[in-house]
Amino acid sequence: EDKVVQSPLSLVVHEGDTVTLNCSYEVTNFRSLLWYKQEKKAPTFLFMLTSSGIEKKSGRLSSILDKKELFSILNITATQTGDSAIYLCAVPRGSTLGRLYFGRGTQLTVWP
Amino acid sequence: EPEVTQTPSHQVTQMGQEVILRCVPISNHLYFYWYRQILGQKVEFLVSFYNNEISEKSEIFDDQFSVERPDGSNFTLKIRSTKLEDSAMYFCASTPLPNYGYTFGSGTRLTVV
Repeated sequence: EDKVVQSPLSLVVHEGDTVTLNCSYEVTNFRSLLWYKQEKKAPTFLFMLTSSGIEKKSGRLSSILDKKELFSILNITATQTGDSAIYLCAVPRGSTLGRLYFGRGTQLTVWP
Repeated sequence: EPEVTQTPSHQVTQMGQEVILRCVPISNHLYFYWYRQILGQKVEFLVSFYNNEISEKSEIFDDQFSVERPDGSNFTLKIRSTKLEDSAMYFCASTPLPNYGYTFGSGTRLTVV
């Protein structure tokens, strides 16, 4: 059965800290891995990773994929209270038209 | 920036009633999806829709569920006879290409009482 596992499930840090969120996967016909940020409602797209070892960066957020070890990490540097959210990792099932398997998410809380 | 729009944002319904959740996907997107998230649980796939037909559905998407694209813009999810366990946040999503980054709508919180 296809699986996406995120760790930790929750994390509490202070503003300015750096955090690393983990996502491991076991999916047949892997094509890509996506990271989303979920605040009050809709998941908002952060990154899509398809190639191993190539870092994607957007401001203080960055992410990298390791296709050999089947995991990805999402780093957030100099965290701010606005980074408080659930971070979701998702993997499309490659053999179908884009069905996503989601992990349970990491609940990040950033205290001022 | 283009958005996926969902209405209503919150719906309360009695058990056994029919509900229709509405979505307007991004206009040039071709692939449409419904997902749901029961409180405290994972986001779960319900159904994908392409070229005016269902392309895949999950085991959750039983005969009580149906989807439609009645015109060129709306995409609806109907639950024929709601059960308490249908209470969840329902998300619509669309994408121009499969296995691409989806855009999710802001969701409809369905509460069945």
